[in-house]
This record gives sequence, C-alpha cells and structure tokens, in this order.
Amino acid sequence: SQTIHQWPATLVQPVGSPLSLECTVEGTSNPNLYWYRQAAGRGLQLLFYSIGIDQISSEVPQNLSASRPQDRQFILSSKKLLLSDSGFYLCAWSVGPQQDTQYFGPGTRLTVL
Amino acid sequence: SQQGEEDPQALSIQEGENATMNCSYKTSINNLQWYRQNSGRGLVHLILIRSNEREKHSGRLRVTLDTSKKSSSLLITASRAADTASYFCATDSGGGGNKLTFGTGTQLKVEL
Repeated sequence: SQTIHQWPATLVQPVGSPLSLECTVEGTSNPNLYWYRQAAGRGLQLLFYSIGIDQISSEVPQNLSASRPQDRQFILSSKKLLLSDSGFYLCAWSVGPQQDTQYFGPGTRLTVL
Repeated sequence: SQQGEEDPQALSIQEGENATMNCSYKTSINNLQWYRQNSGRGLVHLILIRSNEREKHSGRLRVTLDTSKKSSSLLITASRAADTASYFCATDSGGGGNKLTFGTGTQLKVEL
C-alpha cells in the first residue's frame, strides 16, 4: 500500500532563516506531487506541483521554491522566511490512469517568529 | 485563488441528524471532490463526482452536482460525533497536472 511521509511535523523558525520541508511517497512510482499551504481556518492554496523529476510548476509567486531530487521525494525550501510564511504545509500525491484523487500527508505546522 | 465557496462556514448538529454542506464554484470543471480534515491533520478524500454525473453515493455520503448552477452539495446522513471535522470541496478544471482548487471549507460539529 502507498504511504506518504512529511517531516518535520512542527517547526518554529525565526524570520530570515532558511527552510526545508520534506515529503516522500512510498509504494508507488512516478506520482504527481503537490505542495499546499493552509492558513489558519482557511482552505488550501496550491503552491507547487510536479508531474515528474525536473518538471515543477509554481502556482503562486513567493519566496518559496520546490525541488524533486528523486521520483518520490518533494522538497519545499526557502532561503529567507517571512512572517507570512507561517501556516500548515501539506504534501499530496496522485497517480494512475485517472490521477484524479489526491492523497495527503500529515502536514507540517510552520511558525515563523 | 479560491474556486469554491462552502456554505455554511460552520454547522453544529446533534448526533443522528443529517448534515448538508454546499459548494459553489466559478469555472467549468472536469470533476468535483469532497475532502475531510480533522483538526491539525491532513486531508482525506471522501468522494469524487464527474461533470457528467448528477448524484453519487458512498456509505452515508450523498453528493449532488448541478453544473448549470455551478454548485454541489454533500449530505452526511445519520451523523456521528466522529464526523466532526472540516469538509472541503475541490474542483479539477483541467489544464494539466490534475490540479485541484479548494474551497474555504465547512466546519462541522456533531454533538452527542
């Protein structure tokens, strides 16, 4: 069966510090991968999606970037965090002929102080 | 940007009652999905309805889709305390990557 992991679960970082959030998927190959951010009490905002290694699309201009060093690994990074980067970051994957349904990881709660 | 708007934003009912949540969207879609999120957790897929379908059932869930009104509803019958969660609709409007645009969510509280 497929599983998705995210770490860390929680993170408190000072403004201006770098960020690296990791997401890995097990039990499948060549998945679509997604990064979302959820502000408190709000819906999800799609940040990046990737249909393959070296194929990453950015949905929202910001100081975040994403990389996919391996087929089942998706990393969200920032060189300098802003207060507005605080939120709940969710990674998701989809795969198969339809690729309609997305499966979410447990999320990372990021607080920037 | 938010494609879907859920209504109501919050809903409180007694166990055993039915809960109905509505979602409106703006652009044409390939499919519409409903997800559930327990507090501080990831989202769990509940049900998907395609643009050529009008109604779909899964256990205690019933979803309807009216593409002419660009709206969908999620009905949870015989609710349980364990149904307490936030519910989000998400639309797939095509364009590659199977990207989903999520609504703002309905917070459902089911009281004993």
